[in-house]
Amino acid sequence: AIQMTQSPSSLSASVGDRVTITCRASQGIRNDLDWYQQKPGDAPKLLIYDISILQGGVPSRFSGSGSGTDFTLTITSLQPEDFATYYCLQHYIYPYTFGQGTKVEI
Amino acid sequence: EVQLVESGGGLVKPGGSLRLSCAASGFAFSPYTMNWVRQAPGKGLEWVSCISSSNINIYYADSVKGRFTISRDNAKSSVYLQMNSLRAEDTAVYYCARERDPGGNGPDYWGQGTLVTVSS
Repeated sequence: AIQMTQSPSSLSASVGDRVTITCRASQGIRNDLDWYQQKPGDAPKLLIYDISILQGGVPSRFSGSGSGTDFTLTITSLQPEDFATYYCLQHYIYPYTFGQGTKVEI
Repeated sequence: EVQLVESGGGLVKPGGSLRLSCAASGFAFSPYTMNWVRQAPGKGLEWVSCISSSNINIYYADSVKGRFTISRDNAKSSVYLQMNSLRAEDTAVYYCARERDPGGNGPDYWGQGTLVTVSS
């Protein structure tokens, strides 16, 4: 199975900060990489699919980049509602695999 | 509006069985591949299984292979997860999730989940 290594596992940030989360795949996954946001008690919410395409309704302060095996989620100007846990997911091949998650805290 | 509603979770003893259901609405169900994803308490997300539109393609995580069976009923817009030989490590919230498009490509919509607790 493809391993997805996500870092950091947690970070502290303030409102207005720029935040970067990375995900590395154990092999190339083309552009089959999505990012999800999850708040406590809620289901995951799709933010970005296929590396860099924003899901409808997602604010433009979220962006994704990368290629091959290395990918990045960036949040410019962190807002109070962005404090959550973020996961990457590879859907290149089954079994789908998630990163371990990054908790963004104040 | 796309809606996915899971049901069937609960408390079960180790070695027991449980059948989860996911009822879909708000979209044409039959063309879409459907997934089950779980999350143990305080842990990350783990993909469990998926089933394609016409049952041709079915996949499982190694951790559940041989114990769990996914199925679907397109007439009822529902997907199911039969879980047998349950273990303590299967304790988790189980989410039903729809692939983003009929061709696959990762989940977009998720249900709110149903909690499965395996304990004596």
